[in-house]
Amino acid sequence: EAGVAQSPRYKIIEKRQSVAFWCNPISGHATLYWYQQILGQGPKLLIQFQNNGVVDDSQLPKDRFSAERLKGVDSTLKIQPAKLEDSAVYLCASSLRPSTDTQYFGPGTRLTVL
Amino acid sequence: QKEVEQNSGPLSVPEGAIASLNCTYSDRGSQSFFWYRQYSGKSPELIMFIYSNGDKEDGRFTAQLNKASQYVSLLIRDSQPSDSATYLCAVNPTSGKVIFGPGTSLSVIP
Repeated sequence: EAGVAQSPRYKIIEKRQSVAFWCNPISGHATLYWYQQILGQGPKLLIQFQNNGVVDDSQLPKDRFSAERLKGVDSTLKIQPAKLEDSAVYLCASSLRPSTDTQYFGPGTRLTVL
Repeated sequence: QKEVEQNSGPLSVPEGAIASLNCTYSDRGSQSFFWYRQYSGKSPELIMFIYSNGDKEDGRFTAQLNKASQYVSLLIRDSQPSDSATYLCAVNPTSGKVIFGPGTSLSVIP
C-alpha cells in the first residue's frame, strides 16, 4: 500500500512570495489533515478535510493560507504572501475516518522563508 | 492550561532500562489517545493508541491511561539506542480535533 505522498520536499522562498504544497493521501482515506510543525514543537492542525468538505480550519491563518481538496482526493495548501514565521515543516496526513483513527503522515515539506 | 502537556526533556536513559514518558490533558471528555514516534527530520509514526482505562501492551511498549487523573503514559522496556526519538502524545478531545503535545525527546545511551 502506497503511503501519503507530498511535494515538494524542500522549498526556499523570500518573504512576501507565494508557495504551494501538494498532498496525495492513502487511497480510500476520507480524512485529510494539514499540519504545521515548527522546530521543537508538536504538529499544529491547520485544516482537516472529510472527503472534499472542510471539517475544521479554526487555526488556519485565512488572510494568507488557503487549502482545497478537489474531488475528495488530492489536496493543495497555499501561502500567499509568506512571512518569516511561516518557516516550518508542513505535514499532510490521512486517515480512514476522522479523529479516532490512526493518522498516516507523509514525509513533509520543509519551508524556509528568507 | 495547555490542552496537551508533556515534559520536553531531553530524557536520557541507559540502554536496557525502562523509559517512562508522561502526558496530561485538559479535556476530561477526551476519548482517544495516541503515541507517535518522530525521528529527527522524519514525520511522526504511530506506536500505540489506547481508548480504555488501564494498560495496553505491544511488545516492549506499554501505554497506560488514567482518565480520572487525565494522564496517559508510555513505558518502553529494554530501551534500545534505536528508540532515541521524540515521542508525541496526541489526544482526541470532545471537539473531535486531535491535539498533539509538544513532544518529549528521548535519548537512549549505549
